[in-house]
Amino acid sequence: GAVVSQHPSWVICKSGTSVKIECRSLDFQATTMFWYRQFPKQSLMLMATSNEGSKATYEQGVEKDKFLINHASLTLSTLTVTSAHPEDSSFYICSASWGGGGEDTGELFFGEGSRLTVL
Amino acid sequence: AQKITQTQPGMFVQEKEAVTLDCTYDTSDQSYGLFWYKQPSSGEMIFLIYQGSYDEQNATEGRYSLNFQKARKSANLVISASQLGDSAMYFCAMRERGNNRLAFGKGNQVVVIP
Repeated sequence: GAVVSQHPSWVICKSGTSVKIECRSLDFQATTMFWYRQFPKQSLMLMATSNEGSKATYEQGVEKDKFLINHASLTLSTLTVTSAHPEDSSFYICSASWGGGGEDTGELFFGEGSRLTVL
Repeated sequence: AQKITQTQPGMFVQEKEAVTLDCTYDTSDQSYGLFWYKQPSSGEMIFLIYQGSYDEQNATEGRYSLNFQKARKSANLVISASQLGDSAMYFCAMRERGNNRLAFGKGNQVVVIP
């Protein structure tokens, strides 16, 4: 199956710094990538939808300036947590699709996730 | 409004036994897809099984089967012959037509005991 890779898997940073997480589709071109956030013992909450070459669409309540998403190529999307604070500590996971929102093919692939801890 | 409902508390399952994880969903669309994912403690989301709303037969993938009852809007996952490696969180998700976004339920914690 298709592979989506996230990097880094773990990151610890000081409060006030920015952290970039990369999501790469390794063997297919991902027209759409999704970024989720997951708190311990909770479900995945969609943060934003990222389409190659255009601005990301953020879910209600997600700060655009806080969570910068860039999808500059068909194989790479990045999430930058700017001026991170301890409450931003979470598990961030991306998924990628080559579909354009048409037929349900079941083809949606997840990265391994990135665990962010802000001290 | 919550679209995917998973209400079972954490479950303990005897090894080699079957376990059913409940999932109900809410949509007004006629065309949609239902997914089950497994999330072990390492965090990655592992795709298990997919059921399209127009599929007449219940989906099966190895030890996983999906009991799809469209009129009841339920899509329960059945894991047969549980193994210790099945211990994980299990998430039910739905994707509506024309939308690549997945809406997830809150998950079911399963612990398989020897």
